[in-house]
Formats: sequence, C-alpha cells, structure tokens
Amino acid sequence: GDSVTQMEGPVTLSEEAFLTINCTYTATGYPSLFWYVQYPGEGLQLLLKATKADDKGSNKGFEATYRKETTSFHLEKGSVQVSDSAVYFCALLKGYSTLTFGKGTMLLVSP
Amino acid sequence: EPEVTQTPSHQVTQMGQEVILRCVPISNHLYFYWYRQILGQKVEFLVSFYNNEISEKSEIFDDQFSVERPDGSNFTLKIRSTKLEDSAMYFCASTATGTGVEKLFFGSGTQLSVL
Repeated sequence: GDSVTQMEGPVTLSEEAFLTINCTYTATGYPSLFWYVQYPGEGLQLLLKATKADDKGSNKGFEATYRKETTSFHLEKGSVQVSDSAVYFCALLKGYSTLTFGKGTMLLVSP
Repeated sequence: EPEVTQTPSHQVTQMGQEVILRCVPISNHLYFYWYRQILGQKVEFLVSFYNNEISEKSEIFDDQFSVERPDGSNFTLKIRSTKLEDSAMYFCASTATGTGVEKLFFGSGTQLSVL
C-alpha cells in the first residue's frame, strides 16, 4: 500500500541555519504530496503542496519539489527561525481527502 | 479564522471502559474525519463521514469504534471497550467539500491514555 517515510527527529538547529527534512514515498500512480506543520497546542496545518512531478510547493520560506524519479518531497528552508519550531508531517493523497502521513519530524530551533 | 475544536485535550481511561472523543467541526463543513497517531508512529486515517454515514474507513476502524453526529454541531468518536493499544493522539478534521485537502482543517487533537 501507499506509505510515507520521513527522517527521524528531533532536528535541532540554530537560528538562521539551513533546514532539510527528508521525505520519500511509495505509491502507485500519481499522488499529490503535502507538508503539514503542527505548532505546539495547535492542529495540523497545511504548509505547502505539489500535485505533479517537478512541481515546487512553497510557503513562508519553505520549499519542496516533487521528484518522481527519486519518489521524494524533501522540505527545505534557507534560514530557520525560532518560531519554526514545530512538528512537520509529510503526506500523500490519492483520491479524495484521505491522506497518508509520515511519522512527523520535530524541529527545534534555538536562538 | 474558523477552527476545529476538540475536547478534551487529554483523556485518561481504564482498559475496558468506553470513551467518547468530541469534535466541533467548522460550522458550514460537510465532511468529517478522524485520524490518530500512536506515539512514535505515523498519523493514520480512521474514518470519514458525510451525510450522516461513514463514507470510508480503514482496517483500524473495527467494531469497537463508532462515529456519530448527534446534534448537527458535534462529531464524536466512540471507543466501546478501550484497549492499551488505543492510546494515541486522535485528530478530528473537517472540510466543506469532499475533494481538495487545501481546505481540510484539523483540530489540535485529544491525547487518549488507556491504563
């Protein structure tokens, strides 16, 4: 079946460091890919998405490119802030609104 | 901004007890979902609900689970006889339409601990 694999956390960075959180997927066909973020005490929020190969999703300085050849959708940010500390979830969608998530990766950014 | 509200934020129960997790979806939404995340594992889809009936469910959602929209505002998940392995964070979500997760709103979750 479909699955999503994310790098283990926590990822600990200093402010202004470069961030990469790896995500790879297994799916037949052409899923849409997403990154969700969960800030402490809040619900999951859609961060960015890409619906076809080579699409780049971007939002709030975060980017991810849908790479079909490597079945990857790695999340990147050039300069993280303390306020980016959260749990990040990679997910895929086939069909309507049923998402398949990864385990989540906690990001901790220190001043 | 509208939000999905889940109560309680933490629930502790004894094994074998019934538990009801409550969610108030966004008021004009029509599609409702429950997901859960066991500690250290993936967020897993449990069930989707539309027009007062289940539209899709996963293999996790067995006879011990049920969902209900009792009064037009709440959306509940009931676990009839809890097991230790039901301990998890349970997320409710809702959307106005059945397609397009861009408008899927999640609650902040209920942490269920079964002792």
